[in-house]
Formats: sequence, structure tokens, C-alpha cells
Amino acid sequence: GAGVSQTPSNKVTEKGKYVELRCDPISGHTALYWYRQSLGQGPEFLIYFQGTGAADDSGLPNDRFFAVRPEGSVSTLKIQRTERGDSAVYLCASSTRQGANTGELFFGEGSRLTVL
Amino acid sequence: AQSVAQPEDQVNVAEGNPLTVKCTYSVSGNPYLFWYVQYPNRGLQFLLKYITGDNLVKGSYGFEAEFNKSQTSFHLKKPSALVSDSALYFCAVRDGPGNTGKLIFGQGTTLQVKP
Repeated sequence: GAGVSQTPSNKVTEKGKYVELRCDPISGHTALYWYRQSLGQGPEFLIYFQGTGAADDSGLPNDRFFAVRPEGSVSTLKIQRTERGDSAVYLCASSTRQGANTGELFFGEGSRLTVL
Repeated sequence: AQSVAQPEDQVNVAEGNPLTVKCTYSVSGNPYLFWYVQYPNRGLQFLLKYITGDNLVKGSYGFEAEFNKSQTSFHLKKPSALVSDSALYFCAVRDGPGNTGKLIFGQGTTLQVKP
């Protein structure tokens, strides 16, 4: 499809395990974002890529969280030693460069992570 | 620090009646304000934005929002609600200048439109 694609849509893991979440942005979008949405809350910013580089990673909660975008397209959010508090819906969004300036982001449906 | 507040967890309105979903903001500098909507099992969708210019901004699906600088508000409105408008609505503000696309979202307001 033409939208932002995220896989898996659901992930259940055990405390302490390693998890990878994948995002495939809209073709041609140079900007890519990861947000996290906990139950009953609005999305919270994690990291922003412009091309291959992380332009702003100020929202990553700690060094267990890491994200890459090696070829400037698909991105992977990696979470090490998962904790129960990591349970949330992880949202990916993409935009054009102009969209990054005006805040018009295109979101995927999210990956729901449950840490038991 | 930039922030937005949505004072209502839920808004109920009858189909055909006007609706308002409230948002207030706190920013340093000129605000970039947004409304996004989240339908069940769908991703967040951009509705409209205010950057500069007219205080009344028109967006998708017949929605509009009124920027009020003196009241630091950016309420979402629609003259005649539809059952299909039932969804979760988020107000957001851009955090800082530049090409970051980093948005700060409110907690969301569930809109329930009853037939």
C-alpha cells in the first residue's frame, strides 16, 4: 500500500528479552519519526530521522532504546532488556522535508508491544 | 516548555448538532498547532494546522479550528456532527523551531456522536 507500514502489529515478549519493531515509510519521504503511545495518553516523541541520520533522539527514554535507518528508508526500533513499563503502542510516522517543518505527519497503525 | 491540554476526556453530541473539542496551549514564541484524529484500528490522521494567518483554519472532513491568542486556545469545531466523526482527537503543538516535526500531543478527547 501507499501508507506507512509497521510490523509486527502485535508483539508479546517476556521481560528481559530483545525486541525489534520495523517501519516502512511512504516512498519518497525523507523524514521518519518514532512515537510511543501508552494507554490513555497521547503519543510521545522518541526519535526523528532526516535521511539516514538521527536528527533528534531526545525522546529515547534510556540507552535500552535504539533506532536505525541505514539506507534512509526502512527504520528499526530496537529495545534491549525489555521491561513491563515498555508496554505501549509504538507509532512510526513519515513526512516530506516540508511536512517536517509544518507538522503534517503520516502515521502507521502502530506496533503494540506487551511485555509480560 | 511547550504543552497542550485537552480538558475533556470525552465529548458527547447528537448527530446533526455542532461539536466543539477543546484545546489550550502553552508555548514560547509563535505556536504551530495541529489536530489529529485516530479512528479505531487506524493510524493517526492529520486534520488541520495553524501556523499563521487567519484565525479560523479549515481542514479535512468539514472540521475547522479557531485560534485564539488571548485565550491561548485552539478548539476544534464542526457545524454538524456525523456518527462517523466518532473517534479519538488529539491536539498537538510543534516543539520548537526548525525542521524537526517533533510534536507534543495532548492526552486526547474521545468524541462520541449518537444518532
